Amino acid sequence: AQTVTQSQPEMSVQEAETVTLSCTYDTSESDYYLFWYKQPPSRQMILVIRQEAYKQQNATENRFSVNFQKAAKSFSLKISDSQLGDAAMYFCAYWDSNYQLIWGAGTKLIIKP
Amino acid sequence: KAGVTQTPRYLIKTRGQQVTLSCSPISGHRSVSWYQQTPGQGLQFLFEYFSETQRNKGNFPGRFSGRQFSNSRSEMNVSTLELGDSALYLCASSLTRTGHYGYTFGSGTRLTVV
Repeated sequence: AQTVTQSQPEMSVQEAETVTLSCTYDTSESDYYLFWYKQPPSRQMILVIRQEAYKQQNATENRFSVNFQKAAKSFSLKISDSQLGDAAMYFCAYWDSNYQLIWGAGTKLIIKP
Repeated sequence: KAGVTQTPRYLIKTRGQQVTLSCSPISGHRSVSWYQQTPGQGLQFLFEYFSETQRNKGNFPGRFSGRQFSNSRSEMNVSTLELGDSALYLCASSLTRTGHYGYTFGSGTRLTVV
């Protein structure tokens, strides 16, 4: 079965600095999707960035980018120029062939002003 | 365009009762999935509906059920509530069944069982 591991329960970063959140996963599938979601105190899960496994190029969305290492089964999220509004729980998720998302435990990101 | 709407936002029920939660997906989205979020177990998949049919179900007891209507709105029902059913229940909708477009989530229903 697929698993997703986020080894950092909590990370903190100074405003305007860069932070990287780690995620590793285990799968025997070759084609899949990976996601980073953000969950602020409002509870709504917000899609931050999406990566298709068959694409070698790392996805980028404005200040958010990923480092996708398929062979190493690693999918880290880099947030540049951190802003106070980035404070939230960040979840890494793997979409599997059973049409469901497998989630990591989450990383709480704290932004220091 | 309206997002995914979940009602109610909060719910308090007594053990043994049953509860029904509602989810209205984004217009045009035909896939609706449900997830349970708890501090201990994290996020766990409950079930997925597409075109009014349950396509997949997670590892939850039969007390958890759901359905999808012809307008893609979905409901989930939990019967004989237990204290351990206290959780945030999240609904997500997607244009298709694949992960290609990602999922859009609602703000969830916070269920407390006392």
